[in-house]
Amino acid sequence: DAKTTQPPSMDCAEGRAANLPCNHSTISGNEYVYWYRQIHSQGPQYIIHGLKNNETNEMASLIITEDRKSSTLILPHATLRDTAVYYCIVRSGAGSYQLTFGKGTKLSVIP
Amino acid sequence: GAVVSQHPSRVICKSGTSVKIECRSLDFQATTMFWYRQFPKQSLMLMATSNEGSKATYEQGVEKDKFLINHASLTLSTLTVTSAHPEDSSFYICSAGNREPPYTFGSGTRLTVV
Repeated sequence: DAKTTQPPSMDCAEGRAANLPCNHSTISGNEYVYWYRQIHSQGPQYIIHGLKNNETNEMASLIITEDRKSSTLILPHATLRDTAVYYCIVRSGAGSYQLTFGKGTKLSVIP
Repeated sequence: GAVVSQHPSRVICKSGTSVKIECRSLDFQATTMFWYRQFPKQSLMLMATSNEGSKATYEQGVEKDKFLINHASLTLSTLTVTSAHPEDSSFYICSAGNREPPYTFGSGTRLTVV
């Protein structure tokens, strides 16, 4: 599975959009991009995933660049409860099933 | 949506004793369950993958005789930490799914060995 690079930390003002970048320049054609978040002392929570098209659900939007070498997770109106570590994971759509977590981005939403 | 229940949420045990952690898929059948360990201020590290009815596959460096995994049914997997020592103190998390992600994670178990 391709390696991902994320900034270690970010701040966002409450009510503003939080844009979390992820670089995955070695991604291959059949690898999906998954986003999870982990609030302190809890298990990871699934947010969204995509292959090449942009995706949106009730939690967030996922924007994948045309060359698929990077993506951005967008939380449209961040709240204090969105403070968490956000993990971007690239994984093949076939073969091994496990998700490998990197260090993620610690998002702090500021009042 | 899919729910994974993990029990207990916290446990304190004495050094040398064994501790069992349960992971249950409440509203779906999970052919595969994963066990992770997370030390303070670190990311999740995969310990093992278990498929229902077969032996677990352990990641390199994880002692299979120390961390016993049983996945006897499609809704239950257990992790037993045998002869626990203080260095085994950690946050243990399971996840469950059927073949492709996204997988659902349990809420984790905080193990403290004293």
